[in-house]
Amino acid sequence: DQQVKQNSPSLSVQEGRISILNCDYTNSMFDYFLWYKKYPAEGPTFLISISSIKDKNEDGRFTVFLNKSAKHLSLHIVPSQPGDSAVYFCAASAYGGTSYGKLTFGQGTILTVHP
Amino acid sequence: ETGVTQSPTHLIKTRGQQVTLRCSSQSGHNTVSWYQQALGQGPQFIFQYYREEENGRGNFPPRFSGLQFPNYSSELNVNALELDDSALYLCASSLDQGSQDTQYFGPGTRLTVL
Repeated sequence: DQQVKQNSPSLSVQEGRISILNCDYTNSMFDYFLWYKKYPAEGPTFLISISSIKDKNEDGRFTVFLNKSAKHLSLHIVPSQPGDSAVYFCAASAYGGTSYGKLTFGQGTILTVHP
Repeated sequence: ETGVTQSPTHLIKTRGQQVTLRCSSQSGHNTVSWYQQALGQGPQFIFQYYREEENGRGNFPPRFSGLQFPNYSSELNVNALELDDSALYLCASSLDQGSQDTQYFGPGTRLTVL
């Protein structure tokens, strides 16, 4: 039961253009969403998060959008840079019950930014 | 302020052996979570510790166990290793156990079971 899905295994964009990474979820109890970036042989690095009470959060070149009715979130990177090339994971957590504090991750999207 | 650290970085064990992995939380964080990341997959939640008590567990058998110490460092123990236990093991610390608390990951321990 894949509760968090990233349906695009990979994305390739040109330097300076926008990168849009997508994520869908099925569990209505999720109330907090995060994006992580991961380089090979390193742990995931926190990028940006959004609470379910918001629909947008911005941090520099990174913006996360949340559409609760569609159970969909996206990460926009503008402008994209070659150093952004990495695996991007979407993650979600839920309040209460046995899920408390547990992050559920998607499968990841490999982003490649070409110079 | 130091980040999350893990040791060792790499480990090779044989089937049936036992292994202990270690994690030091980020300064001021009292909650630690452990994840298993198989090749090509996202991390999967093993369990979480808050103030030395287990505070939630994922779908992993009892041979996966943990400890959290008074200084909030943590251990993951795996008994009777199986080939499928080969993975990157990640620990993540957070300021508190709240669901809206960002978890910060260490670099991971790569475990290979032969």
